[in-house]
Amino acid sequence: DAGVIQSPRHEVTEMGQEVTLRCKPISGHDYLFWYRQTMMRGLELLIYFNNNVPIDDSGMPEDRFSAKMPNASFSTLKIQPSEPRDSAVYFCASSPTGGTNTEAFFGQGTRLTVV
Amino acid sequence: SQQGEEDPQALSIQEGENATMNCSYKTSINNLQWYRQNSGRGLVHLILIRSNEREKHSGRLRVTLDTSKKSSSLLITASRAADTASYFCATDTGGSYIPTFGRGTSLIVHP
Repeated sequence: DAGVIQSPRHEVTEMGQEVTLRCKPISGHDYLFWYRQTMMRGLELLIYFNNNVPIDDSGMPEDRFSAKMPNASFSTLKIQPSEPRDSAVYFCASSPTGGTNTEAFFGQGTRLTVV
Repeated sequence: SQQGEEDPQALSIQEGENATMNCSYKTSINNLQWYRQNSGRGLVHLILIRSNEREKHSGRLRVTLDTSKKSSSLLITASRAADTASYFCATDTGGSYIPTFGRGTSLIVHP
């Protein structure tokens, strides 16, 4: 397996534009996580899915953020409209069981810059 | 707020020296993990320690867990320049197994 694949690697967009980040988890992993990393706040859990169903989205900062997982091999994180404070590195991770009893596998991240 | 926090924020050592970083957490846990992040890359899992374990080894890595103090330490022995990275602890909250991360310790190993 190629691991968790995220696209794009880098995204520069203007304030107010819609941004869509994509993730392909490792096949067979039942859990998918979206994290956001900034210098100020570190690595924050935004939302996670179990078997394609969103379980906890309490980390999503605002209604401008939404995430979907239409099938077991694809998830998106959308920001509409984007703002400069959304600039960060967004990571997708997947794991077999979702818990700290197994390792999570991270993608390479998407570096988002909103100008 | 984060469950776990790493300390120190930054650590700079010479190749061959040992590096020790710590993680403190607020509520009881089931498991604790350590991850490494190289610059511009995703996190990579290093080691898992369960709440009923006190120490684990993996190669040059040694992890300890003190549940009474709600803290863990990661020791990297005989460090190499390639160990330069950020190190994160991931904890759950006891009631949930979902991993949450701290801000990490940035380690620089000078050749």
